[in-house]
Amino acid sequence: DTEVTQTPKHLVMGMTNKKSLKCEQHMGHRAMYWYKQKAKKPPELMFVYSYEKLSINESVPSRFSPECPNSSLLNLHLHALQPEDSALYLCASSQDTGGSYEQYFGPGTRLTVT
Amino acid sequence: KQEVTQIPAALSVPEGENLVLNCSFTDSAIYNLQWFRQDPGKGLTSLLLIQSSQREQTSGRLNASLDKSSGRSTLYIAASQPGDSATYLCAVRPWGAQKLVFGQGTRLTINP
Repeated sequence: DTEVTQTPKHLVMGMTNKKSLKCEQHMGHRAMYWYKQKAKKPPELMFVYSYEKLSINESVPSRFSPECPNSSLLNLHLHALQPEDSALYLCASSQDTGGSYEQYFGPGTRLTVT
Repeated sequence: KQEVTQIPAALSVPEGENLVLNCSFTDSAIYNLQWFRQDPGKGLTSLLLIQSSQREQTSGRLNASLDKSSGRSTLYIAASQPGDSATYLCAVRPWGAQKLVFGQGTRLTINP
């Protein structure tokens, strides 16, 4: 099973709302990633978790708050977002952060901020 | 800084043709290169992973090659079908980095 699942598929939120995106994998992977993808652009890395600890934050604004409660789950908490944060948010996982490992992506959450 | 380029940005071919998508990268210090497929509004599906020590990988009608010294990779699709229509992204994993560096993608349309 090489599946990464993400919920919800679509999310519409106002600028004052608080919401969370969820990502789950059951492949025993110890590295998990959040990417952001704007329309017609490639994905851009936001965060990397390695063995449930945050290892990379690509200078992401604090209105995005990641959390890794266990080795299978990755959350992205959203608060006070701006309309320009509307994008496809992709979760990925790999066996660990070692360079030779393949990254597997989920289907994404389409986020619209109104 | 590693940069990845994919040319052309868009390609339209009739069904049944064999085709080649190109990917170039500026720094040969990479762990591997991945080819992905992305349907509109969907996530990325990994097609092929080529480690830096490998020259090519094959899966069904797909064949990917890697020439690290020249900073090039190609994705060959044989006997194209309308279902192959999608955006194809290549990404490299640079040495010392935990992230993938993506190209801008090639939007492929196969006409019935």
